[in-house]
Amino acid sequence: AQKITQTQPGMFVQEKEAVTLDCTYDTSDPSYGLFWYKQPSSGEMIFLIYQGSYDQQNATEGRYSLNFQKARKSANLVISASQLGDSAMYFCAMREGVTGGGNKLTFGTGTQLKVEL
Amino acid sequence: DAMVIQNPRYQVTQFGKPVTLSCSQTLNHNVMYWYQQKSSQAPKLLFHYYDKDFNNEADTPDNFQSRRPNTSFCFLDIRSPGLGDAAMYLCATSRDPLAANEQFFGPGTRLTVL
Repeated sequence: AQKITQTQPGMFVQEKEAVTLDCTYDTSDPSYGLFWYKQPSSGEMIFLIYQGSYDQQNATEGRYSLNFQKARKSANLVISASQLGDSAMYFCAMREGVTGGGNKLTFGTGTQLKVEL
Repeated sequence: DAMVIQNPRYQVTQFGKPVTLSCSQTLNHNVMYWYQQKSSQAPKLLFHYYDKDFNNEADTPDNFQSRRPNTSFCFLDIRSPGLGDAAMYLCATSRDPLAANEQFFGPGTRLTVL
């Protein structure tokens, strides 16, 4: 079974509009973290936002917010006031557990976002 | 600025000819990771180092090896590249494995196998 599922291979949004990118996850570990990364066409992965499984409030970072619904196991990324520079591939990722030798991330298959004028 | 650096950005090698990809970091992070990302796919973890401890993923082929001579540098060696090894190779670091740290990624090395 997929641990991270991103059901939207591609999304379009108009400049200045808000957009939601979906992410659902599957884990039996009570302690986990959820991450969103942006990957422009140049290739580097840019960290956007993090949500811990025990965090009571939804994470926010500037124009990015994470709509965390623990019971539904979803962690959707909301980008407000979209800009042309937001056009990129967006990956949702999960880290399970807090112990062990490494902060292993499992990535979803990504959503390609295109912002239009 | 502190960062993760990968050299070269683009690497072309021949089928079966060993190749080494380089990653360095100025963040002084304890953990360094190597991911393989094939076209239109998610990054897949190959292995990571926690300080000097090497941790290989179960499904990483033996063809892929890694070295970490010091905190700052980590190398990915592909002993006999096949056409299926053509991919973007991403290096990442994190401060330690126990905290809720994000991983910092380098710009990647795009490997072409002829």
